[in-house]
Amino acid sequence: DTGVSQDPRHKITKRGQNVTFRCDPISEHNRLYWYRQTLGQGPEFLTYFQNEAQLEKSRLLSDRFSAERPKGSFSTLEIQRTEQGDSAMYLCASSPPGQGNNEQFFGPGTRLTVL
Amino acid sequence: GIQVEQSPPDLILQEGANSTLRCNFSDSVNNLQWFHQNPWGQLINLFYIPSGTKQNGRLSATTVATERYSLLYISSSQTTDSGVYFCAAHPNYGGSQGNLIFGKGTKLSVKP
Repeated sequence: DTGVSQDPRHKITKRGQNVTFRCDPISEHNRLYWYRQTLGQGPEFLTYFQNEAQLEKSRLLSDRFSAERPKGSFSTLEIQRTEQGDSAMYLCASSPPGQGNNEQFFGPGTRLTVL
Repeated sequence: GIQVEQSPPDLILQEGANSTLRCNFSDSVNNLQWFHQNPWGQLINLFYIPSGTKQNGRLSATTVATERYSLLYISSSQTTDSGVYFCAAHPNYGGSQGNLIFGKGTKLSVKP
């Protein structure tokens, strides 16, 4: 079990550029979550996938943000026309199927800096 | 939605001391987790504890679901325990798909 992985670990971009992040969940985990964490705050939920279906989106997920999980395995989070306010740590988590245990396991995060 | 409040916000300890971190939540929950965030930002799972008591080495946690709080105990603290501790909960009502609501964390500093 290799844990949740995220790529890249760091991204520096200029305002107005598009960026894409990737998350690979723990194998056999069918549930995948994206969160965003700004300095001094706890993570905030962005969106949730069960298999390939995107089942929930937070109000934080503006129309510049899009997430996909095309084959129910890895997921991508794209931010279009980045703004300085998008600078944050983007965290991905996964959890196993079933009702009895939905413990979430987090990846190392992608730290985005928008100049 | 559910509110998750942690206390204290900051805690400074001498190495070897014990501490208790508290997490209050405003609704019944079906998931409650404690995490330690290391200096690189990685969230390390400490406990999955929607109810009851668990222990793992020098750490233990208790959740009293009926009274809507959870406690994290750290005994014989070490400098490596420093960091931010988060409590996160998922409410036990329909319409939500399991996303965790995090508190603002307790920043722990253990001095040698």
